[in-house]
Amino acid sequence: QKEVEQNSGPLSVPEGAIASLNCTYSDRGSQSFFWYRQYSGKSPELIMFIYSNGDKEDGRFTAQLNKASQYVSLLIRDSQPSDSATYLCAEVRWGKFQFGAGTQVVVTP
Amino acid sequence: DAEITQSPRHKITETGRQVTLACHQTWNHNNMFWYRQDLGHGLRLIHYSYGVQDTNKGEVSDGYSVSRSNTEDLPLTLESAASSQTSVYFCASSESGGELFFGEGSRLTVL
Repeated sequence: QKEVEQNSGPLSVPEGAIASLNCTYSDRGSQSFFWYRQYSGKSPELIMFIYSNGDKEDGRFTAQLNKASQYVSLLIRDSQPSDSATYLCAEVRWGKFQFGAGTQVVVTP
Repeated sequence: DAEITQSPRHKITETGRQVTLACHQTWNHNNMFWYRQDLGHGLRLIHYSYGVQDTNKGEVSDGYSVSRSNTEDLPLTLESAASSQTSVYFCASSESGGELFFGEGSRLTVL
């Protein structure tokens, strides 16, 4: 069983709407969580990370962490066509990153 | 600017041949990682290192080896390439507690 689970999508989102991505993890010892964006044929790039329970906002992005329920989510507000990509969730324990399979997001004009 | 570079970016080889993918980082990071990415599987960890002379197996290490003789480099070797090892390979590095920085990837095709 994969330790980090994501819905593969594709998640279709109208331009200007909110995209909601979810990620669940099985390791209660996970210390931090990272969201990466990956465009087709490119390497992943960091969006944001979160360590503590609650919400963390960075521009149009909000990460939410609930350690009791073992899930982390990413909200993308005012979605733009440039947000069309695959979003990878990663849990980190002792410096080692474990990734989910990623959720493909398609923003439609 | 600090960076992480991989070579070659594209490689075609034959079954049974030995292949080495190079990874060089100028971040001076202690932690280095090799992942493979296949459709439907995301990024799967092959091997990782927390410092010079330290190497560890990841979840898909069979058929791969690494060595860490200095801080900057972590070459990945496929001892006897198999068609199942056709994939995109990403090298990455980080400092403890920090984000993971990725190279541009190496696309390997094993015929």
